[in-house]
Amino acid sequence: EIVMTQSPATLSVSPGERVTLSCRASQSVNSDLAWYQQKPGQAPRLLIYGTSTRATAIPARFSGSGSGTEFTLTISGLQSEDFAIYYCQQYNNWPPYTFGQGTKLEI
Amino acid sequence: EVQLVESGGGLVQPGGSLRLSCAASGFTFSHYWMSWVRQAPGKGLEWVANIKQDGSEEYYVDSVKGRFTISRDNAKNSLYVQMNSLRAGDSAVYYCARVISAWYAYDYHYYMDVWGNGTAVTVSS
Repeated sequence: EIVMTQSPATLSVSPGERVTLSCRASQSVNSDLAWYQQKPGQAPRLLIYGTSTRATAIPARFSGSGSGTEFTLTISGLQSEDFAIYYCQQYNNWPPYTFGQGTKLEI
Repeated sequence: EVQLVESGGGLVQPGGSLRLSCAASGFTFSHYWMSWVRQAPGKGLEWVANIKQDGSEEYYVDSVKGRFTISRDNAKNSLYVQMNSLRAGDSAVYYCARVISAWYAYDYHYYMDVWGNGTAVTVSS
């Protein structure tokens, strides 16, 4: 099973800032990496798939990069609606799919 | 609009059973793999099971193998999971999700794109 590790667990930021979230895989997942956003009481929403491709209707301020075992999600110009929990997930080697433990963005 | 609506959650005693349903609309359900993913209270996401378009392949996380069964009815645009021998550790919000099959690098790659709003399962005496 591939273990996904996200850092940091919590990130305190301010609106307008640029923030980078990290995700590391215990073995290579090539580019099969997705990012999801989850707000309290809501379902996860797909932001990025294939490491760097934005999903439908996702704003350009969200960008993903990386390959192999190291990945990042960057949010440029944080907006109030971006405060949420972000999960990375690998889909290169399943079952099982595995998720990181999440990074919480807070003000 | 693509929509997934889960139902069937509730309170069940340890050792009991529950069947969750997911009604799909806004897309051709029979063309997609489907998933169940769960989230325990205050915890992260855990993939539970996948099923192929025609139901011919099923995959499970080890912790539910032999207890949970994923199934689908393409005529009814519906996904199900039958959960037996439930444990306290199965308490979670259960989400169904559509799976995209993307072809690249000479292989298919499967990721979840659209998720339902979830249904809560509590296993407690």
